[in-house]
Amino acid sequence: GENVEQHPSTLSVQEGDSAVIKCTYSDSASNYFPWYKQELGKRPQLIIDIRSNVGEKKDQRIAVTLNKTAKHFSLHITETQPEDSAVYFCAASRTQGGSEKLVFGKGTKLTVNP
Amino acid sequence: NAGVTQTPKFQVLKTGQSMTLQCAQDMNHNSMYWYRQDPGMGLRLIYYSASEGTTDKGEVPNGYNVSRLNKREFSLRLESAAPSQTSVYFCASRLDLITGELFFGEGSRLTVL
Repeated sequence: GENVEQHPSTLSVQEGDSAVIKCTYSDSASNYFPWYKQELGKRPQLIIDIRSNVGEKKDQRIAVTLNKTAKHFSLHITETQPEDSAVYFCAASRTQGGSEKLVFGKGTKLTVNP
Repeated sequence: NAGVTQTPKFQVLKTGQSMTLQCAQDMNHNSMYWYRQDPGMGLRLIYYSASEGTTDKGEVPNGYNVSRLNKREFSLRLESAAPSQTSVYFCASRLDLITGELFFGEGSRLTVL
């Protein structure tokens, strides 16, 4: 089955700096890669996702890149703000082939220092 | 529009007791999921239901059972609770494979003594 590794487990940056979180996956058939943000005591919420037919996707200060050959994808946050402090989870799954499992990485706790 | 609703939000059990976590969604989603979240372990899939009438095991199904009661409701049962099942449980749903986005409930914090 799918296995998702996420690094680093903790990340501390100064406000205004960029933050990068990286994930690798094992199932070459995976074609959907979302990122979720979970603030303290809250539920996870989708912030951006990418499908395997594109290499990069941006939404304001957030971008995700995908390298299918190397089976890794990354989340990039530019101009970080204190409200970006949260735990971020990457995930991977297939959207066909009969497997509905969305497998998550173990999370990265991002702290943005004012 | 409430989204995904879980009950109870908090529960304390003694080892060996049983309980059921309830989950309902009002978004007409086909797929529903139960995850558990433990410190440093991320979100691990317990069971999921791709559509009404079907259920499948996830990564950590041992000690749990599920029921997809209808399209809206998906319950998680612990038959004989163990301390290792102390965790925060999240129910989630999504429209289908193509749409992709998972919508989570607020979570249920379960402590087994």
